[in-house]
Formats: sequence, structure tokens, C-alpha cells
Amino acid sequence: GDQVEQSPSALSLHEGTGSALRCNFTTTMRAVQWFRKNSRGSLINLFYLASGTKENGRLKSAFDSKERYSTLHIRDAQLEDSGTYFCAAEDMGYKLTFGTGTSLLVDP
Amino acid sequence: ETAVFQTPNYHVTQVGNEVSFNCKQTLGHDTMYWYKQDSKKLLKIMFSYNNKQLIVNETVPRRFSPQSSDKAHLNLRIKSVEPEDSAVYLCASRKLGVDTQYFGPGTRLLVL
Repeated sequence: GDQVEQSPSALSLHEGTGSALRCNFTTTMRAVQWFRKNSRGSLINLFYLASGTKENGRLKSAFDSKERYSTLHIRDAQLEDSGTYFCAAEDMGYKLTFGTGTSLLVDP
Repeated sequence: ETAVFQTPNYHVTQVGNEVSFNCKQTLGHDTMYWYKQDSKKLLKIMFSYNNKQLIVNETVPRRFSPQSSDKAHLNLRIKSVEPEDSAVYLCASRKLGVDTQYFGPGTRLLVL
């Protein structure tokens, strides 16, 4: 079946720095969605991309269907950005397959 | 703002019992989903309903059955729970072919 490899599994950043999360797909996907799990365990939508890039505040995401990957860039990380981030790839049948998550810790 | 509602939040039961989880969305979406989040935090799709018709069934055990009265509701029934059914069950909805899936807060099931 479809597989989504998400990396890194854990990431530690100092406040004010940045980094990128990445998801690789084993097959061609029609879209990707990025989520963040909030303190109550709910999944919060960050981005939905069918192509190209999108930016929202300090977050930016890119999706390349042909190269089978997506990235989520975080810049100027803040303490409140700490949490678990998931990518989910949508195949041609609209089925969503999730990555295993990235646990981000931002420290002062 | 919450638009996908799930009840109950938590449920503890014994092996062999029947349980039912409710999901309702107020977004006017036409497709709803049930996911299971396992102990490794991996989300796997179980069912997908579009306009009250089952369009995806990811070979889950027969004791699981989705139940939909209308396109705003998709419940999940487990006929005779097993210990391996302990997990968080997430409901989601979307307008098919358009934009994102919206997730509910989940129902945590513990089978003793």
C-alpha cells in the first residue's frame, strides 16, 4: 500500500531558529496535508497543497508530486510551536495516508 | 472552532462488549472518515462514506461497522471488542475533491 516516510521523528530547536520537516512518498500523490496536534490531542489543519508552495506566518510548505515529497519549513521558532506535526498524503482515490509524525521541541 | 464532534471522549469496556461511537459534522461536507490511531501514533483509515455510501473499507475486522443516517453523521460500531481494539478513533470530514479533511477530537477506547 501507499507509504509515507516522515523525518525527522524528533527535532529540537532553539527559539528563533528554523528547520524543515520532510515527507517522502512511495507513489505519486495528488495532494498533501500538514497537521499539528494540539494540547488536547486534536489535529489542526496547517496546509493543504495540490502543488507548489504555501506560506502562513512562520510556516511554509512545499509539495512536489513528481518528485514525491513535501516539506514543512518553520522559521523563527517560538516556544508555542512545540508539538507533534504530521504530514498526510492523498492518493488518486482521495485516501489519506499519514506519516509517523515529528515531535518538535522548541527551547529558550 | 470545532466543527467535527465526537462522543464519547473516552470509553472503557471489557472484552466481548459492544460499543458505539458517534460523529457529527456541521460543515456541510459530503464525505466522512473513520481512522484508527494505534499505539505507535500512526493513523490508518478504516472507512470512508460519501453521500451515505461506503466507498472505502480498509479490510478492517468484521466486528467493526460504520453506520450513517445522513451525510452529517457517521457512527462506528464495534460488535465484540478485542484487546487490540484499544486505540484512539478519529472521525474526519471533507467536501470530496476540495481542500482539507477536518478532524474531530477523537474517542479513546480502552478494552480491559
